[in-house]
Amino acid sequence: NAGVTQTPKFQVLKTGQSMTLQCAQDMNHEYMSWYRQDPGMGLRLIHYSVGAGITDQGEVPNGYNVSRSTTEDFPLRLLSAAPSQTSVYFCASSPGTSRFLFFGPGTRLTVL
Amino acid sequence: DQQVKQNSPSLSVQEGRISILNCDYTNSMFDYFLWYKKYPAEGPTFLISISSIKDKNEDGRFTVFLNKSAKHLSLHIVPSQPGDSAVYFCAADTNAGKSTFGDGTTLTVKP
Repeated sequence: NAGVTQTPKFQVLKTGQSMTLQCAQDMNHEYMSWYRQDPGMGLRLIHYSVGAGITDQGEVPNGYNVSRSTTEDFPLRLLSAAPSQTSVYFCASSPGTSRFLFFGPGTRLTVL
Repeated sequence: DQQVKQNSPSLSVQEGRISILNCDYTNSMFDYFLWYKKYPAEGPTFLISISSIKDKNEDGRFTVFLNKSAKHLSLHIVPSQPGDSAVYFCAADTNAGKSTFGDGTTLTVKP
């Protein structure tokens, strides 16, 4: 199993550009979520999904959209990038029977 | 209002000694607590967890203690090894997959 994969690893955007961060898992996990980590801070929940077709907002959802059309994929869309969205983004998944998360390797995003 | 707090940004210990990492929480609805370990340029990995119905959980060199009345948990690593040097995140949740994280403690274990 590849686990949780994220692409790209690094990305530089200009203010106002849009882009999609990709996340996929091959463990058939029901739960998937997106976190961001800013320097010196913990991980903050952006959006999460409890299954295909079901998504909900986390702690810091503004400026981001998600969809979950399949169990495997959970892309995160930045609608109009802002410098405040410069961060490291982690995708995570969890089976319904477990309370802990499997994290991807992260995407480091810089918005100029 | 930060619901999960790790008040020590960093901790340095000598190899072979005990490392104690602390975490406080404010939300009484949290019923499950977790510790994750993170190396640079990698995603966090799950280390150990504890349910709110227990006060201790042990896994090899790692033990987590929970004091519900004080809303406090701690992670003990005995003996500490240089490979334990990493950032440790405390997390708490009420629903699976929706954890609230602390800011992390950077542990350095000196040979």
